[in-house]
Amino acid sequence: SQELEQSPQSLIVQEGKNLTINCTSSKTLYGLYWYKQKYGEGLIFLMMLQKGGEEKSHEKITAKLDEKKQQSSLHITASQPSHAGIYLCGADPNQGGKLIFGQGTELSVKP
Amino acid sequence: NAGVMQNPRHLVRRRGQEARLRCSPMKGHSHVYWYRQLPEEGLKFMVYLQKENIIDESGMPKERFSAEFPKEGPSILRIQQVVRGDSAAYFCASSPGAGSYEQYFGPGTRLTVT
Repeated sequence: SQELEQSPQSLIVQEGKNLTINCTSSKTLYGLYWYKQKYGEGLIFLMMLQKGGEEKSHEKITAKLDEKKQQSSLHITASQPSHAGIYLCGADPNQGGKLIFGQGTELSVKP
Repeated sequence: NAGVMQNPRHLVRRRGQEARLRCSPMKGHSHVYWYRQLPEEGLKFMVYLQKENIIDESGMPKERFSAEFPKEGPSILRIQQVVRGDSAAYFCASSPGAGSYEQYFGPGTRLTVT
């Protein structure tokens, strides 16, 4: 079965610094999703990547899927306290709607 | 455009009682998914439903758990005779189609079993 491994597990950065979160799959990805979860709340959809080499950006967040479609990275430029939370990568191994998720990366941004 | 709605947001049940969790998908979405997030564990898929049909229930415990998505009204996740191990956050997501469509999540229902 497919598994997703995220790194790092947690991250503390100073406001204004850039950071990267990685998500590695044990098998080829046919759709990679990035979500953000604030403590005690639901998941906020950030981006979905499907094609090898694809890159998408929204405000200061950029996500990439490598050419082999086994690794994705999420990059935040000039981090702000509002970026704090848990970032989750998800995949749909069977392309049937059943998402699996990585264990999450907890991001703290110090003002 | 309202997002995915779940109620109640918090639910407390004594062992042996029944828990009913409701989910109203986003407007225009006909696919509903339920996930569970146990303390110190990741988010796990439970069940995938379309209107009046269960598409994939491979993540549902064999006993005490059931889900439905009737023609009219919200999707319901029902847990009978709850036990302490059922305490978790239950999230519902919806999408306009199957497979590679984005899933949009609700705020979750936090179930506490005392």
